[in-house]
Amino acid sequence: TQLLEQSPQFLSIQEGENLTVYCNSSSVFSSLQWYRQEPGEGPVLLVTVVTGGEVKKLKRLTFQFGDARKDSSLHITAAQPGDTGLYLCAGSGGTSYGKLTFGQGTILTVHP
Amino acid sequence: DSGVTQTPKHLITATGQRVTLRCSPRSGDLSVYWYQQSLDQGLQFLIQYYNGEERAKGNILERFSAQQFPDLHSELNLSSLELGDSALYFCASRQGTYGYTFGSGTRLTVV
Repeated sequence: TQLLEQSPQFLSIQEGENLTVYCNSSSVFSSLQWYRQEPGEGPVLLVTVVTGGEVKKLKRLTFQFGDARKDSSLHITAAQPGDTGLYLCAGSGGTSYGKLTFGQGTILTVHP
Repeated sequence: DSGVTQTPKHLITATGQRVTLRCSPRSGDLSVYWYQQSLDQGLQFLIQYYNGEERAKGNILERFSAQQFPDLHSELNLSSLELGDSALYFCASRQGTYGYTFGSGTRLTVV
């Protein structure tokens, strides 16, 4: 069974601070995705990383896939209140026919 | 609007009852995935259909079943409901290899 451990579970910071969310597994994933979920809505895909060591940037968000494709991180620079939400990592791979294994999520609150 | 439509948005029912959740995937998407999101378990994969055929099963209870129809919409049937089945139920469709789009979910409350 593939598991993804996401940390921290909760993050409360002030506007302008930087933060990093981690997603770790003992299993290899062929791809790893990061989602953001707002209350009452479904997860929205932010990025997909597929190559070990890959780094992708989306404005103030930087996503990294570990060399061994077992871990990933999400770094937010100069967080803003609009970044508040639930961040989820999800991996897919093997013979899973594309099903996603999700981490438990990180609830981020950015205070003005 | 993500393009994946789920109905109803909210559902309140009693224990022992049966409900049907509906999902219409994005136009052209053949795959439909069902997930359950609860506070203690997070997002858990239930079942996947591709062009009408079941492709993969996850942590889906025997009281739950699903199907995908020729027009590609899918239904998730939950029966003999228990209090612990209260959760958000999401469906997602997939475009290409990595492009997953989730619907807004159905919030099921069993009382």
